[in-house]
Amino acid sequence: SQTIHQWPATLVQPVGSPLSLECTVEGTSNPNLYWYRQAAGRGLQLLFYSIGIDQISSEVPQNLSASRPQDRQFILSSKKLLLSDSGFYLCAWRLVPGEQFFGPGTRLTVL
Amino acid sequence: AQKVTQAQTEISVVEKEDVTLDCVYETRDTTYYLFWYKQPPSGELVFLIRRNSFDEQNEISGRYSWNFQKSTSSFNFTITASQVVDSAVYFCALSEMGGGADGLTFGKGTHLIIQP
Repeated sequence: SQTIHQWPATLVQPVGSPLSLECTVEGTSNPNLYWYRQAAGRGLQLLFYSIGIDQISSEVPQNLSASRPQDRQFILSSKKLLLSDSGFYLCAWRLVPGEQFFGPGTRLTVL
Repeated sequence: AQKVTQAQTEISVVEKEDVTLDCVYETRDTTYYLFWYKQPPSGELVFLIRRNSFDEQNEISGRYSWNFQKSTSSFNFTITASQVVDSAVYFCALSEMGGGADGLTFGKGTHLIIQP
């Protein structure tokens, strides 16, 4: 069966520090991968998606970047965090259209 | 561009009451999927249902039911005989059908509070 992992589960970082959030999927091959962010009191917003290794598309301009160095690994990064980067980050995957499986999420607080 | 509107920011009802969560969507696509997710306090998104644009049949699953109306671009969710465990934030979402990345477009969510 397929599983999706995210770490860390929670993170508190100072403004200006770097960020690296990791997402891995097990039990499947060549999935589409997604990063979403949920800011406080708001819905989820798609940040990045990837249809394959080193193939990343950004949905919104921002302070963040994403990479996919391996088929089942998706990384969200920042060189310098902003206060506005605080939120709940969810990774998701899918094989066929119409399905989307979410990870447990990472709660990021930037101080 | 796609858009999902959940006009009810928060709903509070007493246990055992029925409650309906509204969802209205906009899309230029003729084929698409609609979803409902539940987000308990832990934060993880729990999948509830997926509907494709070809299938307007209403669906019932235990105390949950969904009413899909293409004519009004709505996909409403009803909980019958609500329970305290139903308390959560509920999200309606939309994605295109077919090829492409088809990330989900979410509404802002409805916070449902079930009081004992």
